[in-house]
Amino acid sequence: EDQVTQSPEALRLQEGESSSLNCSYTVSGLRGLFWYRQDPGKGPEFLFTLYSAGEEKEKERLKATLTKKESFLHITAPKPEDSATYLCAVQRRGEYGNKLVFGAGTILRVKS
Amino acid sequence: DTAVSQTPKYLVTQMGNDKSIKCEQNLGHDTMYWYKQDSKKFLKIMFSYNNKELIINETVPNRFSPKSPDKAHLNLHINSLELGDSAVYFCASSSLKGANYGYTFGSGTRLTVV
Repeated sequence: EDQVTQSPEALRLQEGESSSLNCSYTVSGLRGLFWYRQDPGKGPEFLFTLYSAGEEKEKERLKATLTKKESFLHITAPKPEDSATYLCAVQRRGEYGNKLVFGAGTILRVKS
Repeated sequence: DTAVSQTPKYLVTQMGNDKSIKCEQNLGHDTMYWYKQDSKKFLKIMFSYNNKELIINETVPNRFSPKSPDKAHLNLHINSLELGDSAVYFCASSSLKGANYGYTFGSGTRLTVV
């Protein structure tokens, strides 16, 4: 069964204090690994898709990387507006329907 | 222009009642989903429809019945509501074609059963 484990569960940073979130996964054939951001009371918002080990993607202060067993979401010099829950999900290759299996998320709080 | 819209946003109802949640997408996607997010924020798939055909049906009580009248709409009907059904239900859509298989989510329906 596909599994996604995210760590830490919660992370508190000072504004400007860079850090990384971890997503470990087990899937029999990865089609894609997805990162989403979720703000309170809203639906998850798409950030990145990574398809193969060694791939990296960046968006503003966020950079996602992928290995064969895990993905990292690096946050450089975070701002309070980066506070949110960050969700990681995997999609299995060869499975019809684009099913996503999510991790439990990391709650990020950035204080000014 | 909301890409994936759900109604209602909040739903408070008594145990034993029947309720429906509606979802519409204007992205031209061919596949729609229902996900349940429990109190621990864990998102789990319930159903998926592709062009009105049910393609994913996870282990969900048969009190939950999805219906897709066309590829832009997906509804979820819940019979005999129980306390454990309280959660946030998210609708999402995607395309099975193309390189990006990710979803666009709606803003959720918070269901509270009392």
